[in-house]
Amino acid sequence: GAVVSQHPSRVICKSGTSVKIECRSLDFQATTMFWYRQFPKQSLMLMATSNEGSKATYEQGVEKDKFLINHASLTLSTLTVTSAHPEDSSFYICSARGLQGWYEQFFGPGTRLTVL
Amino acid sequence: QQQVKQSPQSLIVQKGGISIINCAYENTAFDYFPWYQQFPGKGPALLIAIRPDVSEKKEGRFTISFNKSAKQFSLHIMDSQPGDSATYFCAAGSGTYKYIFGTGTRLKVLA
Repeated sequence: GAVVSQHPSRVICKSGTSVKIECRSLDFQATTMFWYRQFPKQSLMLMATSNEGSKATYEQGVEKDKFLINHASLTLSTLTVTSAHPEDSSFYICSARGLQGWYEQFFGPGTRLTVL
Repeated sequence: QQQVKQSPQSLIVQKGGISIINCAYENTAFDYFPWYQQFPGKGPALLIAIRPDVSEKKEGRFTISFNKSAKQFSLHIMDSQPGDSATYFCAAGSGTYKYIFGTGTRLKVLA
């Protein structure tokens, strides 16, 4: 149990385009989902926290208008990178926390974004 | 106050040996301490976690030791195997609060 999927696993796009990444909890309902960014050989950097049906809470320094987060249901959250630039290239990972386990976060497999 | 310090940054262990990774936190409000294992190009996977009401938790070859007074916790991997070669992250959280992650430890187990 506690499986989180992400789609796509890998995406390459041209500079200036927008990219949407989906995060789904497959076998549990997620009241809270988190979006992280990870650079090579570095730790996870929390970008934002989203609760179903409400606006996401962004971490300091993360541009809200650039990284749009929508948590439309208890099983789906999306991250849209708008007007992507090469510096947005990174590994994006989501995690989900369920109704019954306030503490555990279960991570998706990640999405590798490359902006040309 | 919100930092979680993790050491060592990298670790090389012989097959069958014990791998030990340490973390220290500052915020006494933290009450949940998970460890994650991450392979290259993959998302982190929850290994084992502990609450501060116990000093040790063991699951298979993985053990968390927790020292509340010192605000430290550690991961011990017994009988380390080449398949354990990965990056390990400790984290600290509180209730529904976000996690604060350590900087990671790259473990290599030599065959």
